[in-house]
Amino acid sequence: GAGVSQSPSNKVTEKGKDVELRCDPISGHTALYWYRQSLGQGLEFLIYFQGNSAPDKSGLPSDRFSAERTGGSVSTLTIQRTQQEDSAVYLCASSPRGQNYGYTFGSGTRLTVV
Amino acid sequence: TQLLEQSPQFLSIQEGENLTVYCNSSSVFSSLQWYRQEPGEGPVLLVTVVTGGEVKKLKRLTFQFGDARKDSSLHITAAQPGDTGLYLCAGASSTSYDKVIFGPGTSLSVIP
Repeated sequence: GAGVSQSPSNKVTEKGKDVELRCDPISGHTALYWYRQSLGQGLEFLIYFQGNSAPDKSGLPSDRFSAERTGGSVSTLTIQRTQQEDSAVYLCASSPRGQNYGYTFGSGTRLTVV
Repeated sequence: TQLLEQSPQFLSIQEGENLTVYCNSSSVFSSLQWYRQEPGEGPVLLVTVVTGGEVKKLKRLTFQFGDARKDSSLHITAAQPGDTGLYLCAGASSTSYDKVIFGPGTSLSVIP
């Protein structure tokens, strides 16, 4: 597609439920990133995929968070047993290889845990 | 750990005024990017600077990378309401080729 697509755009879930957030990156972009942004705050790195290499999971806040990327394209971020502090906007970005290109972000998924 | 600081955190100005926002670190970055984020949207890349001392212009926006590649500034001339948004700087880590580190952002409001 022309841009990075994320779904759903909004998700309200009850505390303790599992949620899955989807990211469809730009075709041909080998790098895919997930970030979390709390209200009025900067971006918190979660996880990074690059081609077929093992993902960099160093930003995942707990073992309730996991992500996979199938076929080098679509990625799913899963949060198990959601807590209220998980409420935030989850942003996905993709990039061609090389930091000088910059990232293209999706519009994000706003997750609210009630 | 490489960290980026941005100042000011918040800025509210009248249309037509000039402003400068700053991005600082004690670490050296191989390149630095500036993004603008509007409410309900993801950040949009404005510019990437690579060389120490580099200056790039994008219409009324002027970006500069410090000589030592530890800091950067964004200057906006004659600000307009459409410039309103969250301005984020992001440094490319010298040790992690593809992962950038984001600053906390400067929230700019331009009042008509």
